Amino acid sequence: DQQVKQNSPSLSVQEGRISILNCDYTNSMFDYFLWYKKYPAEGPTFLISISSIKDKNEDGRFTVFLNKSAKHLSLHIVPSQPGDSAVYFCAARDLQGAQKLVFGQGTRLTINP
Amino acid sequence: EPEVTQTPSHQVTQMGQEVILRCVPISNHLYFYWYRQILGQKVEFLVSFYNNEISEKSEIFDDQFSVERPDGSNFTLKIRSTKLEDSAMYFCASSSGTGVDTQYFGPGTRLTVL
Repeated sequence: DQQVKQNSPSLSVQEGRISILNCDYTNSMFDYFLWYKKYPAEGPTFLISISSIKDKNEDGRFTVFLNKSAKHLSLHIVPSQPGDSAVYFCAARDLQGAQKLVFGQGTRLTINP
Repeated sequence: EPEVTQTPSHQVTQMGQEVILRCVPISNHLYFYWYRQILGQKVEFLVSFYNNEISEKSEIFDDQFSVERPDGSNFTLKIRSTKLEDSAMYFCASSSGTGVDTQYFGPGTRLTVL
């Protein structure tokens, strides 16, 4: 089941620069997309979301962009901070699938001082 | 800030034994979920629960699994006869069922089946 894919298992970014995490999906019935952040030995923490009727949502240092025609979304973090080092999961909800979330494999982001 | 809690944080059991994983969802939430993450793999949906019944389940959620909301605060996942491949992190989540209906996750229970 590869409906949500994060093709980069890891990303390393200098502190203060922009981090861009990418996610692709195949299911055109997805209506809602979320990004979660996960530290070791903790559960996923909700970060930001976007509805399929929008193309951008911003919350402080975090912005999510959605390109429906390309079935692609990205999370931008600017400026990146050491505390942003974590695994980031993209997740999607299927309009027809009740409340189930489908997750990507995750991208490990490391912010270097 | 309200949060989802889970107990125990780590459960070790022998193959074939029954385990019950416990969760206390956020108090005014109406939807409850279980997900699991096998080491090195994706977070996978197991089941969603609403109005005292299962609203959706995955193919992973077979007859060995059951969920229950025994009182007004707890939400449990029972695995009747554990297998080695059930070893994973199990995450409980809850959502309000209104608006954007974001799911909030607990810290997880690490289940180790020997």
